[in-house]
Amino acid sequence: GENVEQHPSTLSVQEGDSAVIKCTYSDSASNYFPWYKQELGKGPQLIIDIRSNVGEKKDQRIAVTLNKTAKHFSLHITETQPEDSAVYFCAAPKWGNNDMRFGAGTRLTVKP
Amino acid sequence: NAGVMQNPRHLVRRRGQEARLRCSPMKGHSHVYWYRQLPEEGLKFMVYLQKENIIDESGMPKERFSAEFPKEGPSILRIQQVVRGDSAAYFCASSVRQGALDEQYFGPGTRLTVT
Repeated sequence: GENVEQHPSTLSVQEGDSAVIKCTYSDSASNYFPWYKQELGKGPQLIIDIRSNVGEKKDQRIAVTLNKTAKHFSLHITETQPEDSAVYFCAAPKWGNNDMRFGAGTRLTVKP
Repeated sequence: NAGVMQNPRHLVRRRGQEARLRCSPMKGHSHVYWYRQLPEEGLKFMVYLQKENIIDESGMPKERFSAEFPKEGPSILRIQQVVRGDSAAYFCASSVRQGALDEQYFGPGTRLTVT
């Protein structure tokens, strides 16, 4: 089945620095790649996504890049703020596109 | 426009009891997904439903677990004869279109504790 590997598992940055989280997937047919932010005690919140017809998408301080050849995609957060502290999950569709396979998550801590 | 609703938010059951988790999708969404999240882990797909149909239940345990999404009312995830290993957060998501090609929006989850 589809495997989604996510790195790093924990990331600590100073406020104002950038944070990068990387994911790799195994199914070359995957064509939709969302990123979710999960705060303590809450459900995952979709923050940005990218489809395979583009290589990069940006939304204010958040960007996602996709390399279909290498089968990896990354989340970039610039000018980090303490409220960015959360667990971030990447995901990619399972073959047949009925469900998402999630990475194990990255716990991001932004120190003030 | 209300988001995905789940209830109860917290549920405590003794071993052997039944747990019923409810999910109301976002307005206009007819596709529902259930995921389970163990502490410090990612989300694991359980089942994908449309109204009155189970589309993909490849992630559901073979016994004790069942799901439905009736024509009227919320989707229900039912766990019979709960065991301690069932303790987890259960999340429901919904989307407008089919499967993983569309944005999925998650509810706040139901945290099940089996004592």
